[in-house]
Amino acid sequence: KNQVEQSPQSLIILEGKNCTLQCNYTVSPFSNLRWYKQDTGRGPVSLTIMTFSENTKSNGRYTATLDADTKQSSLHITASQLSDSASYICVVTGYSSASKIIFGSGTRLSIRP
Amino acid sequence: DSGVTQTPKHLITATGQRVTLRCSPRSGDLSVYWYQQSLDQGLQFLIQYYNGEERAKGNILERFSAQQFPDLHSELNLSSLELGDSALYFCASSVVETSGYTFGSGTRLTVV
Repeated sequence: KNQVEQSPQSLIILEGKNCTLQCNYTVSPFSNLRWYKQDTGRGPVSLTIMTFSENTKSNGRYTATLDADTKQSSLHITASQLSDSASYICVVTGYSSASKIIFGSGTRLSIRP
Repeated sequence: DSGVTQTPKHLITATGQRVTLRCSPRSGDLSVYWYQQSLDQGLQFLIQYYNGEERAKGNILERFSAQQFPDLHSELNLSSLELGDSALYFCASSVVETSGYTFGSGTRLTVV
């Protein structure tokens, strides 16, 4: 069964600290993996998109990694800011089939001053 | 502004009623996706259209239907509304299925 599991479910860190969010998936065959940031009540905003051949992709203070062999991805946030408080969603797409777009349940990140 | 426009932003209606949500995709995007997000829940894929044709169905109820018009805008019709249908409904668009999606800001539906 195609699944995307994210951990932790929620995380609280102090402003300025780093953190890493995890995403494990079983979707196969695999097309791409995306990380989205969703502020409460707003639409998700794309952070990174990686295909199976990419290991790392950065977007400012956000760095995503992908290990297609172990089917694991991580999102590392450096020097966190209060505005990073949001839900972070991992989305895995199976090869050329929208019915295989699998959303993780997200990690709710809270940054404390 | 993501380029994906959803209207209305907010909608309050009574049980048993029917509503229509509208989505205009980003310029050049052929695929439109509809998602439902209930309170504190993850996004649930409802349905996808590509260039006017239904492409894939997810967990869409029979009371719900959608279509994509020749100008590529899409409408999601929700009928016989129930309290449990209260949720945020997001539309996303993409050029092709394997490219990144762009989400709209959503329509918040409240059924009372």
